[in-house]
Amino acid sequence: AQSVTQPDIHITVSEGASLELRCNYSYGATPYLFWYVQSPGQGLQLLLKYFSGDTLVQGIKGFEAEFKRSQSSFNLRKPSVHWSDAAEYFCAVGARSNFGNEKLTFGTGTRLTIIP
Amino acid sequence: KAGVTQTPRYLIKTRGQQVTLSCSPISGHRSVSWYQQTPGQGLQFLFEYFSETQRNKGNFPGRFSGRQFSNSRSEMNVSTLELGDSALYLCASSLESRVLNTEAFFGQGTRLTVV
Repeated sequence: AQSVTQPDIHITVSEGASLELRCNYSYGATPYLFWYVQSPGQGLQLLLKYFSGDTLVQGIKGFEAEFKRSQSSFNLRKPSVHWSDAAEYFCAVGARSNFGNEKLTFGTGTRLTIIP
Repeated sequence: KAGVTQTPRYLIKTRGQQVTLSCSPISGHRSVSWYQQTPGQGLQFLFEYFSETQRNKGNFPGRFSGRQFSNSRSEMNVSTLELGDSALYLCASSLESRVLNTEAFFGQGTRLTVV
């Protein structure tokens, strides 16, 4: 079965600094990988996804993520964070069962705090 | 275009009671998935409905059930509530039952507190 680990529960970054959020996955086949963001009181919004091709994926709001098969990682990065980036970030792996059903398995999330 | 609407936004129930949560997907979307979000556990998949049929189910007890209507609106029911059922319940809708290639759009959730 697939699983996702986000080792950092909470990260604090100064505004304008760079950001990297870690995500490690476990899945036997080529994974579909996603990053979602959840702002306070809101649902989840898709930032970016990867399923094939270029291992560096560009997303919305200036985020990017790099797929590294050898490390089973899909880390999210942003060169310069803004106060509005304060939110909870979820990494997810998508899988298809033998019956053709598809589902997403989420990590436990990383809460990002931005300090002035 | 309206987003995913979940009602109610907040709910307080007593142990042993039952509760029904509602989700109206984006117009034209036929797939609705439900997730339970708790601190430390992240989002856990409950079930997915597509064209009124349950397509996929997570590892939750039978107290958790759902259904989907012909207009794609979905309801989730939890019977005999336990304190551990306190959580944010999120609904996601997508055009087709192919979450890997079709973006899922999430509602704001229903915050259920069991006392």
